[in-house]
Parts: sequence; structure tokens; C-alpha cells
Amino acid sequence: EPEVTQTPSHQVTQMGQEVILRCVPISNHLYFYWYRQILGQKVEFLVSFYNNEISEKSEIFDDQFSVERPDGSNFTLKIRSTKLEDSAMYFCASSITGARYEQYFGPGTRLTVT
Amino acid sequence: GIQVEQSPPDLILQEGANSTLRCNFSDSVNNLQWFHQNPWGQLINLFYIPSGTKQNGRLSATTVATERYSLLYISSSQTTDSGVYFCAVELETSYDKVIFGPGTSLSVIP
Repeated sequence: EPEVTQTPSHQVTQMGQEVILRCVPISNHLYFYWYRQILGQKVEFLVSFYNNEISEKSEIFDDQFSVERPDGSNFTLKIRSTKLEDSAMYFCASSITGARYEQYFGPGTRLTVT
Repeated sequence: GIQVEQSPPDLILQEGANSTLRCNFSDSVNNLQWFHQNPWGQLINLFYIPSGTKQNGRLSATTVATERYSLLYISSSQTTDSGVYFCAVELETSYDKVIFGPGTSLSVIP
């Protein structure tokens, strides 16, 4: 069964450093998403992406965040200058035709900022 | 903004017991999904259920969109059912923005 994959599974970085989290969505899906989950809290929507553009973003998704689909398979989340409060699990998801339909989640990347 | 509430927040069950988890939402939604987050942190799709009833083995779900709630039923619970159950909705007014509820933390004890 096709699945969403994410790399790395765990990333440790120092405050102020840039990180790039990578995702490979399911191949025939057209909509892509990033979510984050701070330890012990609920999952929060960050951004949705379709046709090489952001379609929706939350208040969390400020100027330090960016997303990109650099080729036909990868979908990345970049955090330019990490802060301690960026420590969280980051989930990528994809959907064949948008959030109106079923989303499939990757296993997550645990980001630890020290 | 839209509110998504889940109840109960915590639940402890004896193995073999049945349970009902509830998700209430305060506004019209286009989509609703139930997820199980296992102890390793993975989010597992359970149901895509914008309306109606679905069953998958020991689990079933019902969404009554007009009354703005969804129910997840777990029958004959097993220890592997432990984890956090989230409902997530997509707003009717904001296409492609998904909001998760706070979750129900379930512990099934032998």
C-alpha cells in the first residue's frame, strides 16, 4: 500500500540554525500538508500546498517557515532560524484532491532544538 | 473561530470493554476524519467520515453533520487500542485548512 514517508525521523539542531524536513507524498496525490505537534498537545495545522502554491496557512506559519516542492516527488518544510519552541513532531500529509477528502499522514519527524 | 471538542479527555478501560468517543464541532464542516495516535507517535487513519456510518472490524464511526458531532465506537477493546484518538475537521468556510480536536487518551488495561 502506498504511504507517505518522511526524513529524517529525528533531527537535533541548535537554536538559530536552519532545518529542512523532507517528505515524499503518495505519488498520485496533488495536495500536501504540514502539521506540527508539540509534545503532549494536539496536532496543529501549519500549511496546505497545491499546484506549487500555498493554499492555506495558519497563524503559526510565519516568515521563518517556507515550503517547497523542489521536484516531482519531494515536499519540504524549511525553518530558517529555529527557536526552542519549534521543538515538536512535524507531520507531512497528502491527499488526492484536497482536505475535503481523506488525508494520509507520514510517520513524522521529531525536531529537537537545543 | 471553529471549536472542535472531544470527550472524554481521558478514558481507562478493562480489556474487552466497549467505549464511545465523541467529537463536537461548532461550525459547518466538509470533512471529518478519525485518527489513532499510537504510543510511537504515528497517526493512523481510522475513518474518513463526513457523514453517515462506517464500520471496520471492532471500530465503527457515525457522523451527524447537521447536528455537528461524530462518534467513534470501540468494541471488545484490546491493549493495542491504547493511545490518543483525534478527530479532525475541514472547515466549510476555509477550504484545505484542517483543525484537530484535543484528543481522547485511551488506556486499555489487561
